[in-house]
Amino acid sequence: GESVGLHLPTLSVQEGDNSIINCAYSNSASDYFIWYKQESGKGPQFIIDIRSNMDKRQGQRVTVLLNKTVKHLSLQIAATQPGDSAVYFCAENFQGAQKLVFGQGTRLTINP
Amino acid sequence: EAGVAQSPRYKIIEKRQSVAFWCNPISGHATLYWYQQILGQGPKLLIQFQNNGVVDDSQLPKDRFSAERLKGVDSTLKIQPAKLEDSAVYLCASSLETGNGYTFGSGTRLTVV
Repeated sequence: GESVGLHLPTLSVQEGDNSIINCAYSNSASDYFIWYKQESGKGPQFIIDIRSNMDKRQGQRVTVLLNKTVKHLSLQIAATQPGDSAVYFCAENFQGAQKLVFGQGTRLTINP
Repeated sequence: EAGVAQSPRYKIIEKRQSVAFWCNPISGHATLYWYQQILGQGPKLLIQFQNNGVVDDSQLPKDRFSAERLKGVDSTLKIQPAKLEDSAVYLCASSLETGNGYTFGSGTRLTVV
């Protein structure tokens, strides 16, 4: 079946560097995408979203890029901090089905 | 605004026993979701309610799982009988409108031994 996947299961970055977390999706009918952050023992926390009519959206220290041509989504975190350590999930909303499908997640660790 | 409330936070049961989880969504959120998150994986949708009606339960193992949202507000998810592979975190989420603005609860961690 169609699903959202991630290129890397783990990512380690130096504190202060920028982090880029990637995601591939396969459903061309998906029209809404969300990045979630999940810390240990907690539920997923909304970070940023983007609709299919956009290719870039910026938040506080985070930017989401959407490339519909290659069905690729990325999350950029600027000046990574220790508090950014978590598992990051991308999720896509199937147009019409109106439900979120999650990828496997990327664990981001910050090196001091 | 208050978040999505779930209880209990943790539950340990023996296989073949039954268990129930409770969720109280954000006030006014018409859509409620139950997700299963197995360790090391992304959440998987089990069932979606719009008010008190089921929108999607295609991935709910109906021989052992059941869920209800009788008054269109809080919801319960039940497993009977439980199997070892049901060990997971069960997440509840709600949204004001279907497909947008999901907010998740902290989940119930179920361990079946």
